[in-house]
Amino acid sequence: ETGVTQTPRHLVMGMTNKKSLKCEQHLGHNAMYWYKQSAKKPLELMFVYSLEERVENNSVPSRFSPECPNSSHLFLHLHTLQPEDSALYLCASSQGYEQFFGPGTRLTVL
Amino acid sequence: AQTVTQSQPEMSVQEAETVTLSCTYDTSESDYYLFWYKQPPSRQMILVIRQEAYKQQNATENRFSVNFQKAAKSFSLKISDSQLGDAAMYFCAYTDSWGKLQFGAGTQVVVTP
Repeated sequence: ETGVTQTPRHLVMGMTNKKSLKCEQHLGHNAMYWYKQSAKKPLELMFVYSLEERVENNSVPSRFSPECPNSSHLFLHLHTLQPEDSALYLCASSQGYEQFFGPGTRLTVL
Repeated sequence: AQTVTQSQPEMSVQEAETVTLSCTYDTSESDYYLFWYKQPPSRQMILVIRQEAYKQQNATENRFSVNFQKAAKSFSLKISDSQLGDAAMYFCAYTDSWGKLQFGAGTQVVVTP
C-alpha cells in the first residue's frame, strides 16, 4: 500500500450504533488530519494530530472521538450520530505544508 | 482569521481550450502556502499545484499554471488545453506556519467535447 488509505470506503449506520473510521498513512509523515466534507459546504477541519498529540479540535461534537495510537494510524470513533453527520470524511497526512489525502469514507447516518 | 473565497461555483470549457479559476484569500501573515486541489467524481483529493508566498515566480505544472498576485491576495489557476479528464471540483486552499489548511467552496469545472 502506498499513500494514505481509509477504511471502510462506505458506511451506513443508525443513530444508536458505534463505529470507527480508520486511516493509515505509508508516507512517514508526522501529522494527520480529519476533515468533514458535506454537500455545498467547504471542507471542515475537525482534528489535527502532530507527533501523535492532538493539537487542534475545531469545536467538534463529542460524539466524534479521534484516536492516534502512532504516527501511521488515525481513527475516528463514532457514537450516537445524527443524520446531519452524513458526509464524506477525509483523512490527510503531512510532513511540512503539503497535505496528502486519502480516498475518504462516505458515511450515511439513518 | 484567514478566509479563502472562490466566487465561481461552476466553469465550463471546451476541450483544448483554456479556463481560468479565480481565488482570493485574506491573511495578515507574510509566510504562507497556497494550493489548488482537484477532486474528481472518485472524491480523491489530488494536489494540482502549489505556490510559496515568498516566491515571486508563478508555479507551473504541465498544463496548469497560477497567477499569484500577493499584494492583491489573488491566486488564480489556468488550465490550458483542457481535457475531459480535467472535469472535477477544484479547491483553492491556504496554509500558514500553523499548518492549518483552509479551503474555498470549490469551482466545478465542466469540460465539453
